[in-house]
Parts: sequence; C-alpha cells; structure tokens
Amino acid sequence: EPEVTQTPSHQVTQMGQEVILRCVPISNHLYFYWYRQILGQKVEFLVSFYNNEISEKSEIFDDQFSVERPDGSNFTLKIRSTKLEDSAMYFCASRLKTGTSSPLHFGNGTRLTVT
Amino acid sequence: LAKTTQPISMDSYEGQEVNITCSHNNIATNDYITWYQQFPSQGPRFIIQGYKTKVTNEVASLFIPADRKSSTLSLPRVSLSDTAVYYCLVVSGDAGNMLTFGGGTRLMVKP
Repeated sequence: EPEVTQTPSHQVTQMGQEVILRCVPISNHLYFYWYRQILGQKVEFLVSFYNNEISEKSEIFDDQFSVERPDGSNFTLKIRSTKLEDSAMYFCASRLKTGTSSPLHFGNGTRLTVT
Repeated sequence: LAKTTQPISMDSYEGQEVNITCSHNNIATNDYITWYQQFPSQGPRFIIQGYKTKVTNEVASLFIPADRKSSTLSLPRVSLSDTAVYYCLVVSGDAGNMLTFGGGTRLMVKP
C-alpha cells in the first residue's frame, strides 16, 4: 500500500535556526497537509496545500512557517527561526480529493526538538 | 464544523469487544463521520468512515443512529496491539478540507 514518507525521523536544532521538514506524499494525491502534535497534546492542523498554493492555515501557521512543493514529489515545511515551543512531532498528510470520503493518509512524522 | 465529544480513556481486556461512542450534536446534513487510530510516535491512521446506519470493514464497525448525533466505533475481540488513541472526526461533505482532531479516546487493552 502506498505510504506518505517523512524525513528526517528526528531533527534536533538550536533556537533561532531554520529547519526544513520533508515529505513525499502518495503519488496521485492532490491535497497536502501539515499537522503537529506537541507531546501529550492534540493533533493540531497547521496548513493545507492544493494546486501549488495554501488553501487553509491555522493561527499557529504564522510568518515563521512556509510550505513548498518544489517538484512533483516533495512537500516541505520550513520554520525560519525555531523557538523552543516549536518542539513537537510534525506530521505530513495527503489525500486524493476533498468533499467526499477520501481519508487523509499520514506519515509517521518528524520529531523536532529545539534546544 | 460539528464539535465531537468522546470519553478521555477506556480500559478493556484482550478478546473483548470495545465500543467507543462519540457525540456530535451539531452535525450538518452533508457531514460524515470518520475515525482514526494513533499509536505512540506514529501518525494517525484511518480506520473507518460512514454517513448513516452501519459500516463494517476488516478492522471495525461503525454504528450511526438515524439522528446522526452520535456514532459508535466497535472493535471486535481487541488485542494488546489495539492499545492506541482513537479519534472521532466530523468531516464536511461540502468540499471539506481541514480535519480537526479532538482529544481522542485513549484505549488501554490489558492481558
């Protein structure tokens, strides 16, 4: 079964540094998402992306965050200047379509630790 | 989007059937109900979804009464590996894009 893959699985960075989290969505999917989960808390929506532009974003997704689909396969989340509170699991997800019963497929996440 | 309410946690024993009920009083006509499972340090995984009555797949059954204000996820004969967090989500059928996760139900299966 096709999978969403994320790299790296763990990322440790110092406060103020830029990080890029990478995802390869399922190949025929058209909608892409980033979610995050702080340890012990809910899975929180960050941003959705379709047709090379952001469809929706949450309040968490401020100017420090950006997303890009640089080629036909990768989908990236960049955090420009990391803060301690950015430490979390970041999950990428994709789906074939919206509006009907098209479930999200999640990757296994990147654990980001900001020191 | 309709808010969902589900128990914070449940305990069960291996081999038992587990039923997790979710309330979604404000569900809209075009919304459908989706359940996800999450193991520690993994992404959520889709289990089942439905609009009304009963849906069954190889993993679970989903029961939705006629008023659709609640739904019940049924896991037959659970094993230790079913220990996970189970999320009930209401998804808009009108080109819904963003999925909102609540706190989920933490199911602990004991030997």
